[in-house]
Amino acid sequence: EVQLVESGGGLVQPGGSLRLSCATSGFIFTNYWMTWVRQAPGKGLEWVANINHDGSQINYLDSLEGRFTISRDNAKTSVYLQMNSLRAEDTAVYFCVRQFLWGSGTLVTVSS
Amino acid sequence: DIQMTQSPSTLSASVGDRVTITCRASQSISSWLAWYQQKPGKAPKVFIYQASTLASGVPSRFSGSGSGTEFTLTISSLQPDDFATYFCQHYASYPRTFGQGTKVDVK
Repeated sequence: EVQLVESGGGLVQPGGSLRLSCATSGFIFTNYWMTWVRQAPGKGLEWVANINHDGSQINYLDSLEGRFTISRDNAKTSVYLQMNSLRAEDTAVYFCVRQFLWGSGTLVTVSS
Repeated sequence: DIQMTQSPSTLSASVGDRVTITCRASQSISSWLAWYQQKPGKAPKVFIYQASTLASGVPSRFSGSGSGTEFTLTISSLQPDDFATYFCQHYASYPRTFGQGTKVDVK
């Protein structure tokens, strides 16, 4: 069974940092691009970033202004999202996605 | 960026109704479009990909059509489990933008 399990969310003050993790299992991890998508409370979905099989190709939402970094560890079949200089508008559930299949998400709340 | 516009934003319908949701892209995306269903507190679940391919396990009452800039998701006979929010998403270029969602609720 394919599983995507996000972790690392929580409450952080504006300007702070968080590192999200997505542990995967049940499929050949190196065969897939991996993606992060977020959803602010009561709002729609926003694509954040993705990364190719070996980390050599990465794409980001322009409005992130370089604050977020996606990475992966193929040995651990995991993908990460390092989020720096967090703002209130980054408050959202962050989902890990593998080609249309989504994890259950982890909530990030940016507030003082 | 490609903008995705869904209509309507809310759709009130009854069990047994035929329901159609439209998604328009601001430029051609060929058939690089997926449809997701989302229920409150849950992750989105893919229902359609490549505009018209039914995802595994999705009931046959769901269908997708379109190419280029105009796409539709149709539910041929609405069932109680179908009341939810539906999103379209293109994957033709970056960023992979979503439509704003269509909430299907009880009439």
